[in-house]
Amino acid sequence: AQSVTQLGSHVSVSEGALVLLRCNYSSSVPPYLFWYVQYPNQGLQLLLKYTSAATLVKGINGFEAEFKKSETSFHLTKPSAHMSDAAEYFCAVTGGGGSQGNLIFGKGTKLSVKP
Amino acid sequence: DAGVIQSPRHEVTEMGQEVTLRCKPISGHDYLFWYRQTMMRGLELLIYFNNNVPIDDSGMPEDRFSAKMPNASFSTLKIQPSEPRDSAVYFCASSPLTGEPEKLFFGSGTQLSVL
Repeated sequence: AQSVTQLGSHVSVSEGALVLLRCNYSSSVPPYLFWYVQYPNQGLQLLLKYTSAATLVKGINGFEAEFKKSETSFHLTKPSAHMSDAAEYFCAVTGGGGSQGNLIFGKGTKLSVKP
Repeated sequence: DAGVIQSPRHEVTEMGQEVTLRCKPISGHDYLFWYRQTMMRGLELLIYFNNNVPIDDSGMPEDRFSAKMPNASFSTLKIQPSEPRDSAVYFCASSPLTGEPEKLFFGSGTQLSVL
């Protein structure tokens, strides 16, 4: 069965610093992997996705993630944090079964950005 | 398009009362999903519909929970009787086609508090 583990429920960085949010997955089949962002009082928005094409995936707002099969990882990075990046970030993997809505989400990492 | 619309945004009720959450998916979307988000368990898929038909309700916690989709533009999630442990944020999401995970759109959620 597919699963994702996000290391660190809270990450705090200074404005302008590197953002690194960790995600490891477990899947018996080639996975589709996603990062979603949730701003306060809002639903989740897709940040980026990996669907077996390029291993380095670029998303919105300057974020990117690299799929590393050998490490079963899909970490999210951004070179320089901005105050507006403060939000909760969720890694997800498709759960199979023929429906993309059967996404398996990690428990989320809350990102704080200090001025 | 207005996106996925959920109502109410907030619901406070007493234990034992019936609670009904509502969702209007994006017009033309064939799939509708109900998720529950809690601190302890993260984001869980409760049930999803395809063309108004429930496909997988294995995530529904117990018989107190029921979901319906009487037509393509409306769905309800009902809890009867409600319990304090049902307190969570409930998200509705819709998507146009299976196999396109990036086209999953979330509503802003209903924050449910059961006292």
